[in-house]
Amino acid sequence: ELKVEQNPLFLSMQEGKNYTIYCNYSTTSDRLYWYRQDPGKSLESLFVLLSNGAVKQEGRLMASLDTKARLSTLHITAAVHDLSATYFCAVEGGSSYKYIFGTGTRLKVLA
Amino acid sequence: SAVISQKPSRDICQRGTSLTIQCQVDSQVTMMFWYRQQPGQSLTLIATANQGSEATYESGFVIDKFPISRPNLTFSTLTVSNMSPEDSSIYLCSVTRRRVDYGYTFGSGTRLTVV
Repeated sequence: ELKVEQNPLFLSMQEGKNYTIYCNYSTTSDRLYWYRQDPGKSLESLFVLLSNGAVKQEGRLMASLDTKARLSTLHITAAVHDLSATYFCAVEGGSSYKYIFGTGTRLKVLA
Repeated sequence: SAVISQKPSRDICQRGTSLTIQCQVDSQVTMMFWYRQQPGQSLTLIATANQGSEATYESGFVIDKFPISRPNLTFSTLTVSNMSPEDSSIYLCSVTRRRVDYGYTFGSGTRLTVV
C-alpha cells in the first residue's frame, strides 16, 4: 500500500528565512505533485514532477524529485507572509492514476 | 486544465438524511475521483468514479454509505447516506485528462456539516 509522509507537519518561520519541506513515499512512482491549500479553499496546483531529478521553480518555491530515494522536497526561499498556507504532496499510485496525499505541512510565515 | 463545477458548496444536514454532491466538468476527462478532507486533516481518497460501471472504493469506504454515479465522461455524483456527525467534512471531486496533460484539477469542495 502506497503511503506518503511529509515533515514537518507544522512550520512557523520568520519572513526572509529559508526552509525545506520533505515528502517521502513508500513505493515506486515517477509522478509527484505539490499543492497549496488556503483555509476554506480547494487545492491549487503548484508543481508536477514527472521524472527522477526533476526540478521546478516558481517564485520563492522550488520543488525537486529523487525517485531512487522516494523523496521530494519543496524549498522555500526568503519566505513572505503570503506563503502561509498548507502544502500537500501527492503521489500517483501506479496504473490506476489515483492520488495518495501526504499528511500536509501547515506553514505560517511571521512578519 | 479542466474547469470543475461542484455543487453544493456547503450544506448543513440532519443526521440520518442523505446528501448528493454533483461534479460537472467542462470537458471530457479520463478519470474522476472523490476525496474527503476531515477538519485539519489531509485528503483521503474515497473512490474512483468509473463511467458506466460501479465505482472502485478504497479500503474503509463502501457503496452503501457513499454511492457514486458517473453516467458520462463529464459528470459524477457522490451521495453521503444516512449521515452522522462523523461525516462532517469537505468533499472534493478531482479529475485528470491523461491524454492531454498530467495535471489533476480539484473542484471547489462541498463543506458538509451534520447536526
